[in-house]
Amino acid sequence: SQQGEEDPQALSIQEGENATMNCSYKTSINNLQWYRQNSGRGLVHLILIRSNEREKHSGRLRVTLDTSKKSSSLLITASRAADTASYFCATDPNRDDKIIFGKGTRLHILP
Amino acid sequence: DGGITQSPKYLFRKEGQNVTLSCEQNLNHDAMYWYRQDPGQGLRLIYYSQIVNDFQKGDIAEGYSVSREKKESFPLTVTSAQKNPTAFYLCASSMGTTFYGYTFGSGTRLTVV
Repeated sequence: SQQGEEDPQALSIQEGENATMNCSYKTSINNLQWYRQNSGRGLVHLILIRSNEREKHSGRLRVTLDTSKKSSSLLITASRAADTASYFCATDPNRDDKIIFGKGTRLHILP
Repeated sequence: DGGITQSPKYLFRKEGQNVTLSCEQNLNHDAMYWYRQDPGQGLRLIYYSQIVNDFQKGDIAEGYSVSREKKESFPLTVTSAQKNPTAFYLCASSMGTTFYGYTFGSGTRLTVV
């Protein structure tokens, strides 16, 4: 059961530029989370934003949440080669006991 | 160091064979999960367990089985009934509520030969 949909599917930018990824979802949620996955590795939890929050920062990451539009964005500022990875949003629907992952955005930082 | 360990990293299965993937955590997490990831795809939930001796089917449970006899361990068996088992398998754990993030293992890549 797919809940979150990331956009774009793939993104290539120059090192130093900002990268923005979007996530849309269908049902009301308790919170939304973003994860990073390096090739062939497990996922790493980046940031969680609760349904009553609109914006959250963590280092070079900025996440926004618009519950009226059922969407979230992840901004990575001043991108680095090490940011090359896939990024997944995961939603925590109300009245559910597990989170649901989207298909991810593949981010490639060009030197 | 606390974490979640999956083994083996690579696994090869012959047609008609059952294989078991190991997942162990020392985070004292109540909940554990198994996901399947196909190339370029997202994660699909196979099984999950909120407490010891209890587990629930996810979206793609057919051809898989699990057990949860200990809090620390949640092994996944890929049975011969799973017709297309070649994939990357990820185990995760959480504190038991969805208000916290999941901690993932490093994955097991299963290939049918």
